[in-house]
Amino acid sequence: RKEVEQDPGPFNVPEGATVAFNCTYSNSASQSFFWYRQDCRKEPKLLMSVYSSGNEDGRFTAQLNRASQYISLLIRDSKLSDSATYLCVATPDSWGKLQFGAGTQVVVTP
Amino acid sequence: DTGVSQDPRHKITKRGQNVTFRCDPISEHNRLYWYRQTLGQGPEFLTYFQNEAQLEKSRLLSDRFSAERPKGSFSTLEIQRTEQGDSAMYLCASAKGGFETQYFGPGTRLLVL
Repeated sequence: RKEVEQDPGPFNVPEGATVAFNCTYSNSASQSFFWYRQDCRKEPKLLMSVYSSGNEDGRFTAQLNRASQYISLLIRDSKLSDSATYLCVATPDSWGKLQFGAGTQVVVTP
Repeated sequence: DTGVSQDPRHKITKRGQNVTFRCDPISEHNRLYWYRQTLGQGPEFLTYFQNEAQLEKSRLLSDRFSAERPKGSFSTLEIQRTEQGDSAMYLCASAKGGFETQYFGPGTRLLVL
């Protein structure tokens, strides 16, 4: 079983719509959580950190539920440029190495 | 461009050959990480350095893999006697510290024929 699991999608989203997806993590000791964005054949780039109280960055909202060990990402008013793979990430210890899910593909259509 | 550079960007080699990749992190970053990503998967942790010290190695890193970070600056990842299963993108990331944001380089795509 993978440490971080995600629905691979694809999530096909009309432009302007809202899309939300989750990931689950198995290590209850995981300390930090992130969403990274990866465009085709490019390196991952940090989208946002995820805090226990939930946090927002523009059209993006992230939530963390430690009791159920899941993380969510919501994208409002989707843009064509939001089409990408979104990687859910946990850090299992204090050394900072990242554990990635396999990614959720989002395709925003005109 | 995150400021992390990797060289080469692409490498095609024949099975059994040795290959070496280089990563140049952001200059003030103490932490340097190597990950491997295969098609359809997220990156998987291989190893990391705090300055010149290699502090952890994944079980994915077989004896054929070795990484160094002399003088705590650039790092190299060498794969000896490459196998077709080594075909992947090798990503390097650097960070100021353990919980600081990791910035990824563009990766080195390896294809073993």
